[in-house]
Amino acid sequence: GEDVEQSLFLSVREGDSSVINCTYTDSSSTYLYWYKQEPGAGLQLLTYIFSNMDMKQDQRLTVLLNKKDKHLSLRIADTQTGDSAIYFCAENNNAGNMLTFGGGTRLMVKP
Amino acid sequence: DADVTQTPRNRITKTGKRIMLECSQTKGHDRMYWYRQDPGLGLRLIYYSFDVKDINKGEISDGYSVSRQAQAKFSLSLESAIPNQTALYFCATSDARPSYNEQFFGPGTRLTVL
Repeated sequence: GEDVEQSLFLSVREGDSSVINCTYTDSSSTYLYWYKQEPGAGLQLLTYIFSNMDMKQDQRLTVLLNKKDKHLSLRIADTQTGDSAIYFCAENNNAGNMLTFGGGTRLMVKP
Repeated sequence: DADVTQTPRNRITKTGKRIMLECSQTKGHDRMYWYRQDPGLGLRLIYYSFDVKDINKGEISDGYSVSRQAQAKFSLSLESAIPNQTALYFCATSDARPSYNEQFFGPGTRLTVL
């Protein structure tokens, strides 16, 4: 079955880079995603990557995809206190456009 | 105004009670979803609907039922609530296009079953 795994917690200092890692099992996924959940709110799509790409950059965000190892990472450059949130990795299921989410990584940014 | 709204935002109930959580959307999306979130487990899909006449079970549908009253409304019911249904519940919507299937989430309903 599908499984998406992430570490539970990451703490960084303001201004440093953050790297959040994720592993997934469904090699047929066409898209992989990073969602952000701020306190008391629902999830919002932060970025996504098509499975035939190995990197995507969007301002301070860099997504790296290693399909061979089924590993996805999100790098946040110059991390700010406003980046403190829970970050969810997700993959889509080709049959029916379902998403499978990881358990979420809580990012804490210290001033 | 929020595109995806959920009511109530918080609910405390007792074991055995029937509970309904409601979701409304103004995005005009055909696809709607109900998830529950538990700490460390991420979001797990309960039910989903791709149009008004379509209802499908997700990963953890036991103990839950849904109703798609209109394109804009999708409600989740717990027929007889039990304590292990204490969780944060999210409704989400998506359009059939674009292909990357972004889902838009409501603010969540925190349900506590005593």
